[in-house]
Amino acid sequence: QKEVEQDPGPLSVPEGAIVSLNCTYSNSAFQYFMWYRQYSRKGPELLMYTYSSGNKEDGRFTAQVDKSSKYISLFIRDSQPSDSATYLCAMTLNYKLSFGAGTTVTVRA
Amino acid sequence: SQTIHQWPATLVQPVGSPLSLECTVEGTSNPNLYWYRQAAGRGLQLLFYSVGIGQISSEVPQNLSASRPQDRQFILSSKKLLLSDSGFYLCAWASGTNVDTDTQYFGPGTRLTVL
Repeated sequence: QKEVEQDPGPLSVPEGAIVSLNCTYSNSAFQYFMWYRQYSRKGPELLMYTYSSGNKEDGRFTAQVDKSSKYISLFIRDSQPSDSATYLCAMTLNYKLSFGAGTTVTVRA
Repeated sequence: SQTIHQWPATLVQPVGSPLSLECTVEGTSNPNLYWYRQAAGRGLQLLFYSVGIGQISSEVPQNLSASRPQDRQFILSSKKLLLSDSGFYLCAWASGTNVDTDTQYFGPGTRLTVL
């Protein structure tokens, strides 16, 4: 079993839709949770990070963590074609990141 | 502000040839440095990480090696490339100040094709 499992996708949504991305993890020692966005042929860029259970908002993006269920989510509201990318969840333990495999999202204009 | 550079951006090498990929970080001191590989359609696989000059930890046994000759320089090498070494190689840095909350920032990557 992988430490981090991410819904594989791909997802294709119309512009303006809400995008929902999910990851589950098995190691309850993970402390810090992140979402990275990766455009094609580019390095991942940090989108959001959170430490505690609950919701964190940043503009159109909301990161949600449920430590009791070992489940994290990212929601993108009012999605735009520029949001088309691969989204990677990640979590830290002892200076190391464990990544999900990524979900590719396409927002259709 | 901190920036991270990787070169070359793209590389095509024959099987059995050597490899040297370089990563440098600017604007920070004593960062933690990381090498990852991303195969097509796959997640990121941690290859090596370093918490200081000359300190390298290997995560996956393979024909690759890493070195950190200077504080902000991280090099990924191979003596003989295999076809399976093809992929997108990413370098990342983190401040190393907090083991639980350290955020990693990635470079632009090197796309390696072994033929």
